[in-house]
Amino acid sequence: NAGVTQTPKFRILKIGQSMTLQCAQDMNHNYMYWYRQDPGMGLKLIYYSVGAGITDKGEVPNGYNVSRSTTEDFPLRLELAAPSQTSVYFCASSSGPEVGYGYTFGSGTRLTVV
Amino acid sequence: AQSVTQLDSQVPVFEEAPVELRCNYSSSVSVYLFWYVQYPNQGLQLLLKYLSGSTLVKGINGFEAEFNKSQTSFHLRKPSVHISDTAEYFCAVSVLNTGGFKTIFGAGTRLFVKA
Repeated sequence: NAGVTQTPKFRILKIGQSMTLQCAQDMNHNYMYWYRQDPGMGLKLIYYSVGAGITDKGEVPNGYNVSRSTTEDFPLRLELAAPSQTSVYFCASSSGPEVGYGYTFGSGTRLTVV
Repeated sequence: AQSVTQLDSQVPVFEEAPVELRCNYSSSVSVYLFWYVQYPNQGLQLLLKYLSGSTLVKGINGFEAEFNKSQTSFHLRKPSVHISDTAEYFCAVSVLNTGGFKTIFGAGTRLFVKA
């Protein structure tokens, strides 16, 4: 089925470790986003991309990096994991500017840093 | 600055009863409004959206929402809920800033439908 695929679904990291959260979409969407969801806090935008080779910071980018070498893929990198990065991470995509199109979300990656 | 407030963190309701999930926003510019639903262990799905035109918007699964500009609200309603409506619901607001559109999500309302 067409959509946004995130891997892994679950991960436990030790403090200081690094990892990459993968996100791929097969809808030829130009716009892609990474959000984190903390209990009772809604979703916070980490990074976004408006097309291959173009990325920009969102509301909470510290401790993360992204790249967008293709339209399909938008990986999120955590270099030095910290307990504050324990969260559920969602990747999303849309076919146009944010308004009017809505987002298609992946099923999320639940990350625990211990 | 824009903000979104979902007034209830949890709403328990019996099956076949009506439900209203409240959402208020603050913004000094025009807004575009969305409701998303998140079922357990899944990502968010778009339920409905208001961009312009009629203030009453109908979405999937029998939900509807009404945009009230004077009260800066966008409450979600369903006349008769089912067990399968148990989920978390997020209100979102998009505004046009100098850097493009910015979307802000509320903290979510967890709907529990009881038999």
